[in-house]
Amino acid sequence: DIVMTQSPDSLAVSLGERATINCKSSQSILYNSNNRNYLAWYQQKPGQPPKLLIYWASTRESGVPDRFSGSGSGTDFTLTISSLQAEDVAVYYCQQYYTNLITFGGGTKVEIK
Amino acid sequence: EVHLVESGGGLVQSGGSLRLSCAASGFTFSTYSMNWVRQAPGKGLEWVSYISGSGSTIYFADSVKGRFSISRDNAKNSLYLQMNSLRAEDTAVYYCARDRTTYYDGLTGYSANSFEYWGQGTLVTVSS
Repeated sequence: DIVMTQSPDSLAVSLGERATINCKSSQSILYNSNNRNYLAWYQQKPGQPPKLLIYWASTRESGVPDRFSGSGSGTDFTLTISSLQAEDVAVYYCQQYYTNLITFGGGTKVEIK
Repeated sequence: EVHLVESGGGLVQSGGSLRLSCAASGFTFSTYSMNWVRQAPGKGLEWVSYISGSGSTIYFADSVKGRFSISRDNAKNSLYLQMNSLRAEDTAVYYCARDRTTYYDGLTGYSANSFEYWGQGTLVTVSS
């Protein structure tokens, strides 16, 4: 199975500042034939199901604010919140869907400093 | 509007069985692969199982293989998860989740999709 490792486990960022979350896969999740990285990012607020933010590592889901961006390729990926808002307090998960045994990262909790 | 509503959760003793359902609406159910994802209390997300739109391709996480089965009734727009030989570590909120697109690889039977829609989840508690 592909292991997804997120860092840090938690971070506290001031309102309006940048938040950066890292995700590393145990093997490449870049499919060479289409040059796509099979990685998604989700946001989960307390008591709610996860919400899809980013897919193909960098494509923003419809309706997601442009302060959220995804980058990276191969095995190393980043989710960036360019200017943290109060409503962004949540746990963020990366997910690989490169293989039929889908795996998630352990999650990163984002709080306000 | 897409809606996914899970039901069937509850308290069950270790070794027991439970059947979860997910009622889908707002899209052509038979054209999308579906998944079950669970979340133990205070823990992260764990993918459990996948089923293709036709039901012909099924995958399971190693942690539930041989104990859980997945099925769907496209005429009823419903997804199911039959859980047998339940253990304390199966205690979790169980979500059904729909693929983002209808893409499906006929060779592998796998859709290679992120999950665009999620239900609110149903809690399964296994007492030891």
